Amino acid sequence: DTAVSQTPKYLVTQMGNDKSIKCEQNLGHDTMYWYKQDSKKFLKIMFSYNNKELIINETVPNRFSPKSPDKAHLNLHINSLELGDSAVYFCASSPRWTRVGKLFFGSGTQLSVL
Amino acid sequence: TQLLEQSPQFLSIQEGENLTVYCNSSSVFSSLQWYRQEPGEGPVLLVTVVTGGEVKKLKRLTFQFGDARKDSSLHITAAQPGDTGLYLCAGASLQTGANNLFFGTGTRLTVIP
Repeated sequence: DTAVSQTPKYLVTQMGNDKSIKCEQNLGHDTMYWYKQDSKKFLKIMFSYNNKELIINETVPNRFSPKSPDKAHLNLHINSLELGDSAVYFCASSPRWTRVGKLFFGSGTQLSVL
Repeated sequence: TQLLEQSPQFLSIQEGENLTVYCNSSSVFSSLQWYRQEPGEGPVLLVTVVTGGEVKKLKRLTFQFGDARKDSSLHITAAQPGDTGLYLCAGASLQTGANNLFFGTGTRLTVIP
């Protein structure tokens, strides 16, 4: 009965590879996000989707491509992985596009690029 | 990018002590949230403050939003080991609301039994 679930939990890969992280929420929320947390624990938004439509793209390299097949899923595909992509990636969702929202986060995917 | 600076960055205290964490910015936010994150998990929302000067209490935690909606504080009374974690403030953009949150630099709290 996990609210926001993302897989895998850990991802270790070589530089130059392509990888995907999956995210699903069973809360019936309209809005989903991808956040990146660096080694200093700084959390920054990457993308936001509302009802499968891209709303926010925060100057993320185009090697990162989010895909939302339906409003319960937001997957993240990363091409040509670089060392600097190593971080923890969090998926999140919120009820709707609003001034005061509540974000529900997944437990994160720790990506290590070797 | 709207920067939120938290202080202190690290805080280690004995069980039973009081503490305050600060979150400061030069930007105005429509609302401000506080999250707690434990190792290996995602942040969990503690509170949202919306009105300038607003004070909210959650058991031993007291949150305040600055009058100008640029800063906030979190005060914990009689800290317990279960309070240990990374505390993050997050401001909601005036333009896009809580769907574009700017997170603070974080305060890592350790409460020693």
